[in-house]
Amino acid sequence: DAGVTQSPTHLIKTRGQQVTLRCSPISGHKSVSWYQQVLGQGPQFIFQYYEKEERGRGNFPDRFSARQFPNYSSELNVNALLLGDSALYLCASSLDGGGTYGYTFGSGTRLTVV
Amino acid sequence: QQQVKQSPQSLIVQKGGISIINCAYENTAFDYFPWYQQFPGKGPALLIAIRPDVSEKKEGRFTISFNKSAKQFSLHIMDSQPGDSATYFCAASMGGAGNMLTFGGGTRLMVKP
Repeated sequence: DAGVTQSPTHLIKTRGQQVTLRCSPISGHKSVSWYQQVLGQGPQFIFQYYEKEERGRGNFPDRFSARQFPNYSSELNVNALLLGDSALYLCASSLDGGGTYGYTFGSGTRLTVV
Repeated sequence: QQQVKQSPQSLIVQKGGISIINCAYENTAFDYFPWYQQFPGKGPALLIAIRPDVSEKKEGRFTISFNKSAKQFSLHIMDSQPGDSATYFCAASMGGAGNMLTFGGGTRLMVKP
């Protein structure tokens, strides 16, 4: 079975631009979460979606937005990019949005803002 | 505010030795405590997890020890191997395994042959 698939794997953007990152969860998984991992730090929670509804949002500015589609794939959008947005963006999927099953992470999208 | 503190930041262990990584948390509502292993260029992979109703869980060479009263938990890697060299993260969540994870800062482990 395919794992969590993220695209693109690497991306270079200029300050002020907008970026869209994509995630395909494991087949059958209905919950998707997004995390930002700055180099040398632990991942920080951005969003959680379950059954296309936003279930949680971390301490990130409104420049960050996301959505989940009927096929449970997800997009993370970041507007007005700042140098500090440079990070590895991780998508994780889970079978349910509740307490039983843990998350499987993808390999991430490495975003560099110049 | 960092709610999960991890130590040490880096660790060097000889092959065959025991690697010990510690984490402390503040929020007593946390009820799920996983450990993740991350290799360069990869996403974190779940190693082992524990819930607060048990004090220890062992899977192969990996053991979690949990001290609810001290709000601390630790990962022990027995018979450490060079292939274990990676960054390890502890994490915590409330409401179960499928909810928002709060990660520690990570420990870079190097196992010398």
